Amino acid sequence: DGGITQSPKYLFRKEGQNVTLSCEQNLNHDAMYWYRQDPGQGLRLIYYSQIVNDFQKGDIAEGYSVSREKKESFPLTVTSAQKNPTAFYLCASSIRGRVAYNEQFFGPGTRLTVL
Amino acid sequence: LAKTTQPISMDSYEGQEVNITCSHNNIATNDYITWYQQFPSQGPRFIIQGYKTKVTNEVASLFIPADRKSSTLSLPRVSLSDTAVYYCLVGEISNFGNEKLTFGTGTRLTIIP
Repeated sequence: DGGITQSPKYLFRKEGQNVTLSCEQNLNHDAMYWYRQDPGQGLRLIYYSQIVNDFQKGDIAEGYSVSREKKESFPLTVTSAQKNPTAFYLCASSIRGRVAYNEQFFGPGTRLTVL
Repeated sequence: LAKTTQPISMDSYEGQEVNITCSHNNIATNDYITWYQQFPSQGPRFIIQGYKTKVTNEVASLFIPADRKSSTLSLPRVSLSDTAVYYCLVGEISNFGNEKLTFGTGTRLTIIP
């Protein structure tokens, strides 16, 4: 089956630790995205990548880092510099870079809780 | 920046048609309007996308007036499974060529049996 997988579904970390969230897609999409969602809120863009070895900051990139070494993978690291890391994290991909004109496919999400 | 405004919540009975409106007063010439559906603890799912006038697919219709400052998602004959949050997305390319995507706050639609 084609799709996007995120792992793990639930993640608990102690304050001050870095944590990496996994996102893999087998849709052969060029573009991949990371969003953050807080309770009762909309989605906010953290980072996006339109091609391998290239990525751009979104609205709330501070305290996060990404890499795009393979087309299929776009891991997100939540660093200790992120002040309020507890949230629901969603990864998405689209067939072309300009997501405004193309459907985004979302993964199931990872709920991160920092204790 | 094109910001979007939607009603926070709506209730409807099963079998009725539901219309959810999104305001985007500062929409740019090249912007498209996209609607997504999200169930609790899941990723959003694409519903429909349009640029102007009317677009229809197997699950919804999207109405966009000539000035494009608003759009209306229409769900025909809703069922309990349509209970979800619906997001209006206006695509925008900033002056630096970066993506600047704006998800609205979403409309929580509750279908009543």
